[in-house]
Amino acid sequence: KQEVTQIPAALSVPEGENLVLNCSFTDSAIYNLQWFRQDPGKGLTSLLLIQSSQREQTSGRLNASLDKSSGRSTLYIAASQPGDSATYLCAVSGENFVFGPGTRLSVLP
Amino acid sequence: GAVVSQHPSRVICKSGTSVKIECRSLDFQATTMFWYRQFPKQSLMLMATSNEGSKATYEQGVEKDKFLINHASLTLSTLTVTSAHPEDSSFYICSALSGRGYNEQFFGPGTRLTVL
Repeated sequence: KQEVTQIPAALSVPEGENLVLNCSFTDSAIYNLQWFRQDPGKGLTSLLLIQSSQREQTSGRLNASLDKSSGRSTLYIAASQPGDSATYLCAVSGENFVFGPGTRLSVLP
Repeated sequence: GAVVSQHPSRVICKSGTSVKIECRSLDFQATTMFWYRQFPKQSLMLMATSNEGSKATYEQGVEKDKFLINHASLTLSTLTVTSAHPEDSSFYICSALSGRGYNEQFFGPGTRLTVL
């Protein structure tokens, strides 16, 4: 059974810092991995999708990497801004679709 | 933790038929539920926000007359794909807001729809 974990559970940083969020999964037989952002009371917003054959994806200040063999993905956020404050979830798509518990990020002005 | 169920988990139907997918919050009440879909090799995308007792809010590009959402109680939201076509074949996931703490969102296991 696929299990997805995220570290840290919560993170608070001053504005401008670069930061890394971590996602681990137990079964490497995945089709893809996605990173999402959740704002309070809102649906998920898709940030990045990495197919199983890919190593990384970039969008603006976001960069996500995937090491399928080790069951890890990282989301790198450059030059963080207060508007980046949200909960970030990773999810893997394989036989099932499994979400991690999320990392709650606060970027302080 | 809170549990969200979806039924059915898989459905195969003929083109032109309608399919109803149920999303239930089993141990908590959810005034807000979300519906997502994922086409093969694509991102999971938000389709609509379902609020108990009011009309759903649809994301841009999602046909509200084709994807009927009913959130008639605090524990049940339904998504009906009307006159389904093969291009509607997708993986549909619902989630429910717990309303507790940081308004955590709990996800159903998903429904895989195949339209022949």
